[in-house]
Amino acid sequence: DIVMTQSPSSLSVSAGEKVTMSCKSSQSLLNSGNQKNYLAWYQQKPGQPPKLLIYGASTRESGVPDRFTGSGSGTDFTLTISSVQAEDLAVYYCQNDHSYPFTFGSGTKLEIK
Amino acid sequence: EVQLVESGGGLVKPGGSLKLSCAASGFTFSSYAMSWVRQTPEKRLEWVATISSGGSYTYYPDSVKGRFTISRDNAKNTLYLQMSSLRSEDTAMYYCARQNGHFDVWGAGTTVTVSS
Repeated sequence: DIVMTQSPSSLSVSAGEKVTMSCKSSQSLLNSGNQKNYLAWYQQKPGQPPKLLIYGASTRESGVPDRFTGSGSGTDFTLTISSVQAEDLAVYYCQNDHSYPFTFGSGTKLEIK
Repeated sequence: EVQLVESGGGLVKPGGSLKLSCAASGFTFSSYAMSWVRQTPEKRLEWVATISSGGSYTYYPDSVKGRFTISRDNAKNTLYLQMSSLRSEDTAMYYCARQNGHFDVWGAGTTVTVSS
């Protein structure tokens, strides 16, 4: 199974600051045939189900603000929030979308100071 | 509006069975693969099962294979998860999710508690 490792487990920032969080996979999520990375990011706010933010490592889902950016390839991926807003308080999960069994990271909890 | 609504959760004893349902609306249900994903009390997300759009193919992780069965009724726009031989570690919030590669639509979830 592909193990997804996220870091840090939590971070606390002030509104307006830039945030980066990491996700590493134990195997490459790059499909050599189409050169696409099968990595997704989800945002889960308190009391809500997860919401898809990013897929294909860097494609923003419709309606997601452009302050959210996904990057990376192979086994190393990053989610960046360019200017954190109060409503970004949430846990962020990455997911292996490449092969069964689909696996998730343990999450990065974002707190707003 | 695209919507998924789960039902059927509850308290069940170890070794017991439970069947979850997920009613879909706002999209062409029969065109999409569908999945169940659960979230443990420790907030860990675990993929539980996937079924192809037509229902011919199903996929499970080893942790539930042989105990859980995913199915669908495209005429009723409904997804199911039959769970048997339930264990305490199956206690979780169970989400129904549309699978478009990744999981692009999620329901609000239904809670399953396995306890004596």
